[in-house]
Amino acid sequence: AQSVSQHNHHVILSEAASLELGCNYSYGGTVNLFWYVQYPGQHLQLLLKYFSGDPLVKGIKGFEAEFIKSKFSFNLRKPSVQWSDTAEYFCAVTRYNNNDMRFGAGTRLTVKP
Amino acid sequence: DTAVSQTPKYLVTQMGNDKSIKCEQNLGHDTMYWYKQDSKKFLKIMFSYNNKELIINETVPNRFSPKSPDKAHLNLHINSLELGDSAVYFCASSPWGTSDSVGQETQYFGPGTRLLVL
Repeated sequence: AQSVSQHNHHVILSEAASLELGCNYSYGGTVNLFWYVQYPGQHLQLLLKYFSGDPLVKGIKGFEAEFIKSKFSFNLRKPSVQWSDTAEYFCAVTRYNNNDMRFGAGTRLTVKP
Repeated sequence: DTAVSQTPKYLVTQMGNDKSIKCEQNLGHDTMYWYKQDSKKFLKIMFSYNNKELIINETVPNRFSPKSPDKAHLNLHINSLELGDSAVYFCASSPWGTSDSVGQETQYFGPGTRLLVL
């Protein structure tokens, strides 16, 4: 069965620190990859997505992610986090041309001012 | 001009009651979804409808019944509510299912309905 793993359950950083959140998936075929963010008490918002092409994807708010096919990974990065980045981050995967989206368990990011 | 809207935002009810949550999208999408987010923030798909037709139906108790009167609406009716049904329920929509579905899998989420069963 297709699964999505997020290695870090809770990450605590100080402002201006660099961020990398891990995401691995188990499906062997062509996939579409997403990162969503959920600010406290709010709904999920799309940060970025990868369908094809350049494996380094840039999203909103200075986030980027790199798709490494050989490692089945799609890690999220930000060079310098801000207090306002405190949120829950979800990695998600769909198979090619399939709408069944599977989410990782989420990583809670706390940024200390 | 909210893209995906849900009502109510909060729902507090007693065990055994029947309740409904409504979802509407004005994005012109063909596919809509219901997700359940538990207290540990884990998100799990429950149902997906494409143009009023059920296409994903995960292992969900049959007390949960989705209804799609048209492709812009997907409501969730829950019978005989149980304590374990307490969660946040998110509706989502995507353009998937159109003539060119590739690359249309991005899902757009509603604000969620926080259900508390007492």
